[in-house]
Amino acid sequence: KAGVTQTPRYLIKTRGQQVTLSCSPISGHRSVSWYQQTPGQGLQFLFEYFSETQRNKGNFPGRFSGRQFSNSRSEMNVSTLELGDSALYLCASSTGQTMNTEAFFGQGTRLTVV
Amino acid sequence: GNSVTQMEGPVTLSEEAFLTINCTYTATGYPSLFWYVQYPGEGLQLLLKATKADDKGSNKGFEATYRKETTSFHLEKGSVQVSDSAVYFCALSVLNDMRFGAGTRLTVKP
Repeated sequence: KAGVTQTPRYLIKTRGQQVTLSCSPISGHRSVSWYQQTPGQGLQFLFEYFSETQRNKGNFPGRFSGRQFSNSRSEMNVSTLELGDSALYLCASSTGQTMNTEAFFGQGTRLTVV
Repeated sequence: GNSVTQMEGPVTLSEEAFLTINCTYTATGYPSLFWYVQYPGEGLQLLLKATKADDKGSNKGFEATYRKETTSFHLEKGSVQVSDSAVYFCALSVLNDMRFGAGTRLTVKP
């Protein structure tokens, strides 16, 4: 069974630009969650999608958005990039159908904003 | 709300030393508990889990017991190896809300 796939692995963008990151979950998983990981703030929850609907949302500004497609693949978008958005962005998938489900992570996309 | 507090690092140990990383949680409802490990340049991998009180999760020599009375899920290993050097995250999942601790960096020296 293929794992969670995130593309691209690395990105360099300029301040003010926008970026789109992609995540393909494990086959059969309907929930996709996104996290931002930085040395100073640790692992912070961005949002979770289940069956194309945003089910949970963390405390990030509106510049951070996401969506999920009918095949469960998900994208997250960050507009008007700031230097502080430099981070490892992790995607996790789960079945999302049981109450206390475990998450499976991709390798992440390392975003550098210059 | 739901939250996880874990021992701050970094932790540096010599090979074959005993490891404990403390983790406590707060949750509304009855959570499942997890330990994830992150090796350099990688995403998080599930190390072990426990879904009910007194359950012991174990994998690769690591163990953690779900203690409802103390709301804890401490990670232990009797004899660490250099290859165990990584960042360890304690996490809970309850009602589809997943929360992570801040992570503890472990370095094992030969």
